[in-house]
Amino acid sequence: GIQVEQSPPDLILQEGANSTLRCNFSDSVNNLQWFHQNPWGQLINLFYIPSGTKQNGRLSATTVATERYSLLYISSSQTTDSGVYFCANQAGTALIFGKGTTLSVSS
Amino acid sequence: EAQVTQNPRYLITVTGKKLTVTCSQNMNHEYMSWYRQDPGLGLRQIYYSMNVEVTDKGDVPEGYKVSRKEKRNFPLILESPSPNQTSLYFCASSKTSGGFRNEQFFGPGTRLTVL
Repeated sequence: GIQVEQSPPDLILQEGANSTLRCNFSDSVNNLQWFHQNPWGQLINLFYIPSGTKQNGRLSATTVATERYSLLYISSSQTTDSGVYFCANQAGTALIFGKGTTLSVSS
Repeated sequence: EAQVTQNPRYLITVTGKKLTVTCSQNMNHEYMSWYRQDPGLGLRQIYYSMNVEVTDKGDVPEGYKVSRKEKRNFPLILESPSPNQTSLYFCASSKTSGGFRNEQFFGPGTRLTVL
């Protein structure tokens, strides 16, 4: 089946630092999304980005569908950015999620 | 506000006691689905529905039932819960089941513990 690989698995940052999270896909990119799972377990939609680049405040994302990868950029990180970041790609009727990147931002 | 709601958010129950987790969306979405999230296994699809009265199994359907009598609601039923169904459950919806420009929206999650 389709594989979604995320890197790095864990990331520890000081407040104010920048970071890049990566997602690689074994199959074509369909309806790609990035999510943030906060410490309370909620899945927050960050980006719907099957191709191109989008920005939302300190976060931006780029998907290069022809090369089957997507990047999530977090600039000037804050403690509230902590949590797990997931990318997901649609395969059939389901979203296939990566294992996530756990981000810890300390003050 | 466009959203997916789930109830209850937290539930502790005992083995064998039937329960229902409700899911409702106010975006007139055709497609709805249920996922469970477990440590080390990630999110896995339980059941999905492509429209009213149309449901089908996902990857891990054993021990669960669903129904889709109205477009906005998609309840998840555990007829005889067991401890291995202890998990974090998410309901999701999207405009259609596939195709282009089809973002999925997730509910806040239901944390279920079966003793």
